[in-house]
Amino acid sequence: QKEVEQDPGPLSVPEGAIVSLNCTYSNSAFQYFMWYRQYSRKGPELLMYTYSSGNKEDGRFTAQVDKSSKYISLFIRDSQPSDSATYLCAMSAISGTYKYIFGTGTRLKVLA
Amino acid sequence: AAGVIQSPRHLIKEKRETATLKCYPIPRHDTVYWYQQGPGQDPQFLISFYEKMQSDKGSIPDRFSAQQFSDYHSELNMSSLELGDSALYFCASRDRGRGNTIYFGEGSWLTVV
Repeated sequence: QKEVEQDPGPLSVPEGAIVSLNCTYSNSAFQYFMWYRQYSRKGPELLMYTYSSGNKEDGRFTAQVDKSSKYISLFIRDSQPSDSATYLCAMSAISGTYKYIFGTGTRLKVLA
Repeated sequence: AAGVIQSPRHLIKEKRETATLKCYPIPRHDTVYWYQQGPGQDPQFLISFYEKMQSDKGSIPDRFSAQQFSDYHSELNMSSLELGDSALYFCASRDRGRGNTIYFGEGSWLTVV
């Protein structure tokens, strides 16, 4: 079993929909959580980061962390066709190296 | 703002050849990571360097080696290349001042033929 599980999708939604992307994890030591957006053949672009539990909002994006359930989410409001990409969650324990473990990524397609 | 710079962006090598990828991290970032991403796969951690010392090792083949130099740039050396090494190789650097976030370069596409 992988340390980080993420539904690969693809997920297709109409423009303007609210998108919910999720990851579960097994390592209770994970404290840093990030969401990246990756367009085809491009480097992952950092969208959101959170430390420990709670919510964080940035524009149309909201990141949630529920450490008790080992579950993190990324919500995208008013989704746009330009949001069509692969979304990767990543997480790390508190350690000297802060090695990040990635989910497999969820491919999102927002239909105009 | 400065980003992580990787070179070359694309390279084609034959089996059993050697390739070297370079990474220039964002200034003042103290940790450099190398990841390998195959088609349709998530990034797989290879190796990391903290202040020029190897800090962690992942699924890096013995045919690969890496180092970080005094100017903080890093190089990934890959020898005896195999077809399965064809992938996108990312370098990332860590910002301790911003939630230990890591920022990726645009990647180096390696095709082994």
